[in-house]
Amino acid sequence: AQSVAQPEDQVNVAEGNPLTVKCTYSVSGNPYLFWYVQYPNRGLQFLLKYITGDNLVKGSYGFEAEFNKSQTSFHLKKPSALVSDSALYFCAVRSPSGGYNKLIFGAGTRLAVHP
Amino acid sequence: DTGVSQDPRHKITKRGQNVTFRCDPISEHNRLYWYRQTLGQGPEFLTYFQNEAQLEKSRLLSDRFSAERPKGSFSTLEIQRTEQGDSAMYLCASSFGEGGRANEQFFGPGTRLTVL
Repeated sequence: AQSVAQPEDQVNVAEGNPLTVKCTYSVSGNPYLFWYVQYPNRGLQFLLKYITGDNLVKGSYGFEAEFNKSQTSFHLKKPSALVSDSALYFCAVRSPSGGYNKLIFGAGTRLAVHP
Repeated sequence: DTGVSQDPRHKITKRGQNVTFRCDPISEHNRLYWYRQTLGQGPEFLTYFQNEAQLEKSRLLSDRFSAERPKGSFSTLEIQRTEQGDSAMYLCASSFGEGGRANEQFFGPGTRLTVL
């Protein structure tokens, strides 16, 4: 079965420190990988995606993510966290067995950045 | 605002009633998706359309659920004989898709359904 795991329900980090939000996936074939962020009372916002090529992808708001095929991971990173980064983050995958159509989401990780 | 819009934003209904939600995608997008998100979980795929054709339905979509996209523009999601377990946030997303191109899906703000 295809699945996405976000092992941490919550990540706490001090403002200015680097942050990492973890994601691992289990799909057959070569997946497309995504990160979305959800702020209260707002829809999911696209942050970045990995399709092919360079394993390090850069996205919105200074976020980046590293694709690691051997570890089937796609961790989200930011060198210096801001309080305004506090939100709910979702990792998602689109797989060839699904025709690359539907997104399969992890359960989400709440990021709390403290001043 | 040229993003995905959904109406209503909130719906409270009594068990057994029918409800209908509307989604207006980004105008040039030919693909439209419905997802359901319950508290503490990530969104789960329900169904998707390419233009007016409904191409895939999840097993989550019981026979009480029906979705349409009659002219390939807006879409409606109807739930008949609502149950308390239907309480969730219903999310709509759209994208421009050609074959397997991995264009990102843009999400609307969602419709929060509460079934009493």
